[in-house]
Amino acid sequence: AQTVTQSQPEMSVQEAETVTLSCTYDTSESDYYLFWYKQPPSRQMILVIRQEAYKQQNATENRFSVNFQKAAKSFSLKISDSQLGDAAMYFCAYSSRLHNQGGKLIFGQGTELSVKP
Amino acid sequence: DSGVTQTPKHLITATGQRVTLRCSPRSGDLSVYWYQQSLDQGLQFLIQYYNGEERAKGNILERFSAQQFPDLHSELNLSSLELGDSALYFCASSGRGETGELFFGEGSRLTVL
Repeated sequence: AQTVTQSQPEMSVQEAETVTLSCTYDTSESDYYLFWYKQPPSRQMILVIRQEAYKQQNATENRFSVNFQKAAKSFSLKISDSQLGDAAMYFCAYSSRLHNQGGKLIFGQGTELSVKP
Repeated sequence: DSGVTQTPKHLITATGQRVTLRCSPRSGDLSVYWYQQSLDQGLQFLIQYYNGEERAKGNILERFSAQQFPDLHSELNLSSLELGDSALYFCASSGRGETGELFFGEGSRLTVL
C-alpha cells in the first residue's frame, strides 16, 4: 500500500521569504500523480500544484514550485516570496494511475505553515 | 468555488443517532469520494463511487454506508454515532479527464455530543 509522509508538523516563514515543505512517499508503482493541497482556516481544500510522475520537469505555478526526486521518492514544495495569505495547512497527496485504484488521493499528515509579517 | 456542494455545513447530534450527509458533484463528474478529517487520524479516504457503483473502499466503518444516485449525487450515512465520529467530512469529485485532481466541497462539520 502507498504511504505519504510529511515530517514537519509545523513550519514558519517570514513574509517575502522562501520556505520549503518536505514530503516523501512510498510506492511500487512507476506511474502516478503527486499533489500539494492547501487548507486555509476556511477548511476548503485547494489544489496548489500537481506533478505527473512520468514527467521529469518539475511543476511550477507562479510562486509555487516542486522538487520532484522520483528515485528518492521525494516531493517537496517551495513557496517563494511568501505572503500572509499563504498561511495554511499544506497536504502532500499521492494518486495511483492504475485504473483499479479508482483515483483516490492518499494524504500525508499535513504541515501547518505560519507566515510572520 | 470548486463546484462541489455539500450539505449540511454543520451538524450537531447525540451519541447513538444517525445522520445523512449529502454531496452534489461538479456538473459532469461521475466519481464521488468521501473523506473524513479528524485531528488524530488526519485525512482518511472512506469510499468512492463511480457512476452509481462502488469503486474503492478505504477505512470506512461498518456503521457508515454510502450510495450514489442516478443523478450522481451521493449520500454518506453515519449511524450509531460515537463521540469519536466527530470530524469534518469532505466530499470530492473528479471528471473523465486524466488529471488526477479531485475537487473538494467545503465539508460537513459533524459534532457528536
